[in-house]
Amino acid sequence: AQTVTQSQPEMSVQEAETVTLSCTYDTSESDYYLFWYKQPPSRQMILVIRQEAYKQQNATENRFSVNFQKAAKSFSLKISDSQLGDAAMYFCAYRSVFNGANSKLTFGKGITLSVRP
Amino acid sequence: EAQVTQNPRYLITVTGKKLTVTCSQNMNHEYMSWYRQDPGLGLRQIYYSMNVEVTDKGDVPEGYKVSRKEKRNFPLILESPSPNQTSLYFCASTRLGGGLLDNSPLHFGNGTRLTVT
Repeated sequence: AQTVTQSQPEMSVQEAETVTLSCTYDTSESDYYLFWYKQPPSRQMILVIRQEAYKQQNATENRFSVNFQKAAKSFSLKISDSQLGDAAMYFCAYRSVFNGANSKLTFGKGITLSVRP
Repeated sequence: EAQVTQNPRYLITVTGKKLTVTCSQNMNHEYMSWYRQDPGLGLRQIYYSMNVEVTDKGDVPEGYKVSRKEKRNFPLILESPSPNQTSLYFCASTRLGGGLLDNSPLHFGNGTRLTVT
């Protein structure tokens, strides 16, 4: 079974600065998908970014980018020019492509990001 | 607006009193799933459904039931709730059910905060 580890329970960043959230995972599979979800105080689960394991290029979405290191099984999220609205809990998630028709996400424990004005 | 709708948003009940949390999606998705979120554990899959009348257990199915009589609806049933089912519950859906070419993200509802006393 796959596992996802987010070892830092909390992080803090100054507004306009850059912060990196760490995520590692354990799998024996060669193909899979990785996701970062944001959960603000409203409890919504909002997709931030996704990465296909077969793509070498790191995914980017505006101020959000990832550093995907497949050999190291590492998938960190970088948030540039941090804004107050970025304060939230962030979850890293893994999806196997070998689960048949089950699009199950395996989540890490989450990290709480605070943004200082 | 494309969305997954869960009701109720908050629910307080007593041990043993049957309850149902409803979930409905308007995106014509085949795949639907339930997760529970607990502090320090992230989100864990309870049940999933690949289509009408097709459901299967996730990682933590004990104490829960589901049904999928219509494509758009996927209620979660707790026939005899216990305090260890106090949690935040999420319904999610996506248009495909797994596979190498399926990078479609899960769309989440806004969550149901359940307290069992």
